[in-house]
Amino acid sequence: DQQVKQNSPSLSVQEGRISILNCDYTNSMFDYFLWYKKYPAEGPTFLISISSIKDKNEDGRFTVFLNKSAKHLSLHIVPSQPGDSAVYFCAAAGASGTYKYIFGTGTRLKVLA
Amino acid sequence: GAGVSQSPSNKVTEKGKDVELRCDPISGHTALYWYRQRLGQGLEFLIYFQGNSAPDKSGLPSDRFSAERTGESVSTLTIQRTQQEDSAVYLCASSFGRTEKLFFGSGTQLSVL
Repeated sequence: DQQVKQNSPSLSVQEGRISILNCDYTNSMFDYFLWYKKYPAEGPTFLISISSIKDKNEDGRFTVFLNKSAKHLSLHIVPSQPGDSAVYFCAAAGASGTYKYIFGTGTRLKVLA
Repeated sequence: GAGVSQSPSNKVTEKGKDVELRCDPISGHTALYWYRQRLGQGLEFLIYFQGNSAPDKSGLPSDRFSAERTGESVSTLTIQRTQQEDSAVYLCASSFGRTEKLFFGSGTQLSVL
């Protein structure tokens, strides 16, 4: 049972354009969401988070949008840069009263120069 | 160091042998997580420790897997009688507590021949 889903395994975007990465979840009890970036042979690094009391959080070029009614969140990267090329994971927590983070399967973003 | 440290970085073992993976979390972090990433897959939750509470072991795939944590410090993940399907990168993460971002180590690449 995949509670957090990233349905696009890969995405290619031209440098300077917007990258939009999507994530869907099934459990309405999730109340905290994270996005991570992962380069090969490295551990994931934190990008941005959002709690369920908000619908948007922005940090520089990165913005996360949360649509609770649709159980959907998205990460926008504007403008995209070649260094953004990595695998992006979304994660959700809060469903069981603990903070066990459930991760999606990831989306590989390639930003073309 | 200031980050999450995992050892060994690489481990090659023969099918049927036991292995022990170590994680040193960031000092003061009360929560510690183990995940694994098999080739081409997402991050799979294994186990979660939070302070002195009973660990959440719901992600351990079989009784060959076990983990311990000494207080709020080092954790070891033990895999007994390794199988080829155990081959993966095992990632450890720690956080200060609830609704706090996870800091990941670089992982242990386990290869079972």
